[in-house]
Amino acid sequence: AQSVTQPDIHITVSEGASLELRCNYSYGATPYLFWYVQSPGQGLQLLLKYFSGDTLVQGIKGFEAEFKRSQSSFNLRKPSVHWSDAAEYFCAVGPSGTYKYIFGTGTRLKVLA
Amino acid sequence: DVKVTQSSRYLVKRTGEKVLLECVQDMDHENMFWYRQDPGLGLRLIYFSYDVKMKEKGDIPEGYSVSREKKERFSLILESASTNQTSMYLCASSQTVNTEAFFGQGTRLTVV
Repeated sequence: AQSVTQPDIHITVSEGASLELRCNYSYGATPYLFWYVQSPGQGLQLLLKYFSGDTLVQGIKGFEAEFKRSQSSFNLRKPSVHWSDAAEYFCAVGPSGTYKYIFGTGTRLKVLA
Repeated sequence: DVKVTQSSRYLVKRTGEKVLLECVQDMDHENMFWYRQDPGLGLRLIYFSYDVKMKEKGDIPEGYSVSREKKERFSLILESASTNQTSMYLCASSQTVNTEAFFGQGTRLTVV
């Protein structure tokens, strides 16, 4: 079955530190991969997406993610976190051939001043 | 920019009431979705629509129905609200199957 796993429910980092949020997927075909960010009480905003080509993709707000097919991973990174990055982050896969996007359960990021 | 607008940010309804959540997108997208978001469970798909008057059940359709009479509008209906439907509801749209989804700001529904 198709699935997305975000193993870290909560992550706390200090402002200015680097960040990596993990995402693993299980998908039969070539995946379409996304990272979304959700600020409290808001909808989801697309950070970046991977469809094909270069496996390192750049997104908004200084985020990047790397697709590693051999590890079935699509981890999100940022070299220096800002206090405004505190939010919940969702990895998603699909909907190649179907209409369904499959979301992970999210990672809540806390940033210490 | 794509804009997906949900009619209410917050709603409080009584048990047994009929609830209508409306969603409008302004980019002529083919596909529209309703998700429910609960802590620790992520986003769960309730229903989606790939064309006007077309709909498909998602993973948790029980207790919900939908309507898509016009391409830009997708409504979620709770015929008889129950307390276990207290949740954040998110509407989304996408152009085709292989593109990203765009989300509305969400509706926080509380059923008392």
